[in-house]
Amino acid sequence: DIQMTQSPSSLSASVGDRVTITCRASQSISSYLNWYQQKPGKAPKLLIYAASSLQSGVPSRFSGSGSGTDFTLTISSLQPEDFATYYCQQSYSTLSFTFGPGTKVDIK
Amino acid sequence: EVQLLESGGGLVQPGGSLRLSCAASGFTFSSYAMSWVRQAPGKGLEWVSAISGSGGSTYYADSVKGRFTISRDNSKNTLYLQMNSLRAEDTAVYYCAKDRITIFGVVPPGMDVWGQGTTVTVSS
Repeated sequence: DIQMTQSPSSLSASVGDRVTITCRASQSISSYLNWYQQKPGKAPKLLIYAASSLQSGVPSRFSGSGSGTDFTLTISSLQPEDFATYYCQQSYSTLSFTFGPGTKVDIK
Repeated sequence: EVQLLESGGGLVQPGGSLRLSCAASGFTFSSYAMSWVRQAPGKGLEWVSAISGSGGSTYYADSVKGRFTISRDNSKNTLYLQMNSLRAEDTAVYYCAKDRITIFGVVPPGMDVWGQGTTVTVSS
């Protein structure tokens, strides 16, 4: 199975900061990488699919990059509503569409 | 409005069974793959199972293979998850999710619509 790791596991940031979250796959997954945002008590929300495609309705301050094994989610200017947990997910292997362990973004 | 509404969760004893349902509305149900994702209390997301738009292809996480069965009734716009031989570690909120694609292996998928979740507790 493909294993996913994320770093950092948590971070503290201020409104307006540029935030970068990294996701790494244990083997190449091409561009089959999604990013989700989850707020407490709520269902996850798709932000980015296919590594860099912005899901409809998602603000343009969110962007994704990478291919192969290394991927990045960037929030260009953190807003109050962006404090949440972010998960990457590989969608390359139907044996298991593995999620990363998550990165919690909270207020500094 | 695109909506997914899960039901069927509850308290069940270890070894027991439960069937979850997910009623879909606002989109052409048969045109999209669907998935189940769960989240244990205080933990991260775990993909559980997926099914193609026609229902002809199904996929399972190793942790549930042989115990859970995903299915869909496209005439009723409903997704199901039959869960047998339940264990304490199956305790979680179970979400159904619509994918942006119909069949896997052609273009990159992504779960673009989620239900609110239904809670399954396995305990004696």
